Amino acid sequence: EADIYQTPRYLVIGTGKKITLECSQTMGHDKMYWYQQDPGMELHLIHYSYGVNSTEKGDLSSESTVSRIRTEHFPLTLESARPSHTSQYLCASSETLGFNEQFFGPGTRLTVL
Amino acid sequence: GQQLNQSPQSMFIQEGEDVSMNCTSSSIFNTWLWYKQDPGEGPVLLIALYKAGELTSNGRLTAQFGITRKDSFLNISASIPSDVGIYFCAGGMNYGGSQGNLIFGKGTKLSVKP
Repeated sequence: EADIYQTPRYLVIGTGKKITLECSQTMGHDKMYWYQQDPGMELHLIHYSYGVNSTEKGDLSSESTVSRIRTEHFPLTLESARPSHTSQYLCASSETLGFNEQFFGPGTRLTVL
Repeated sequence: GQQLNQSPQSMFIQEGEDVSMNCTSSSIFNTWLWYKQDPGEGPVLLIALYKAGELTSNGRLTAQFGITRKDSFLNISASIPSDVGIYFCAGGMNYGGSQGNLIFGKGTKLSVKP
């Protein structure tokens, strides 16, 4: 059973607000990821991290930023939300060495009005 | 960059039918993973494959790692209503023991026949 948590599950906010999406895992995984996904569509990697103090941009350009101060925690921040940011955001984690298996959180459904 | 072609894009199932879907790539992978995603939830790992030619089952699900390392397929036998959802394949490579990021297919959406 994967132990990766995301809060909030749903968020509706107005344009221009600053938001932080939380992601935590208790598996001791070094690598963590953020994906953006429109409903029923493909997954787009927007950020990943190899470990503490490591952050990398993914394949899809995003106006969001991430930080990795603790191994278990990988929050995503939008400084000024816009309607174009409306989407589902999925956090995942995996071991660095060995197997490629990524374990996903339940996601945060963000709606920006 | 690397891309995966996943097919079919969508399909309708009737309870009791067998279902097949596959993923192909122009590049080789040394890992193939299959995930299922229910509406409003994150993808859940179904089967992981690590060796060319490997055939692995998980209940009614069977997946195979293609011999060429460029493809994989997933079969669901005797489908039931809770099988509906989106199935994603993902390919991965290890580089000197360190993981590369996964490449995901665009998904196969399973729905119930009206």
